[in-house]
Amino acid sequence: EIVLTQSPGTLSLSPGERATLSCRASQTVNSNYLAWYQQKPGQAPRLLIYGASSRATGIPDRLSGSGSGTDFTLTISRLEPEDFAVYYCQQYGSSLITFGGGTKVEIK
Amino acid sequence: EVQLVESGGGLVQPGGSLRLSCAASGFTFSDTWMHWVRQAPGKGLEWVSRIKTDGTYTTYADSVKGRFTISRDNAKNTLYLQMNSLRAEDTAVYYCARGGSGYQTNWGQGTLVTVSS
Repeated sequence: EIVLTQSPGTLSLSPGERATLSCRASQTVNSNYLAWYQQKPGQAPRLLIYGASSRATGIPDRLSGSGSGTDFTLTISRLEPEDFAVYYCQQYGSSLITFGGGTKVEIK
Repeated sequence: EVQLVESGGGLVQPGGSLRLSCAASGFTFSDTWMHWVRQAPGKGLEWVSRIKTDGTYTTYADSVKGRFTISRDNAKNTLYLQMNSLRAEDTAVYYCARGGSGYQTNWGQGTLVTVSS
């Protein structure tokens, strides 16, 4: 099983600032099959990024994904009020799909 | 519009069984892999299971293997999760999700399963 470790656990930032979220895998993620999701309280998760860097439908270009192998990053270039939420990475390159523990982006 | 509506959650005693359903609409269900993902109260997401378009291939998380069974009825556009030998640690909101073989593009609102005596 591939274990995904997200850091930091919590990110305290102000609107307009840049957010950098990290996701590290315990072994190489095949074909960069890495996705990112956003979840707000009381809501279902929403797909943001797949294939490490491809934005899902309707996702603004201030959100971007990068990385390969075992190290991946989600960047939000300028935080908008609707971006404060919990973010999860997920690998789907192995037969057992796994999620990271999440990073909470909160208003400073 | 894609819609996924879960049902069948509730309170069940340890060792008991429950069957969850997910009614799908707004897309060609028989062409789509489907998944179950759960989230314990106040915790992160845990992928549970997936099933191929025609139901011939399934995979499970180690934590549920041998106890849970995923299935689908393409004629009824419905996904199922049969849960047996339930444990307290299975308490969670269970989400039905549409996707490819890997990531999930659309999610339902979830159904809460509580395992407690």
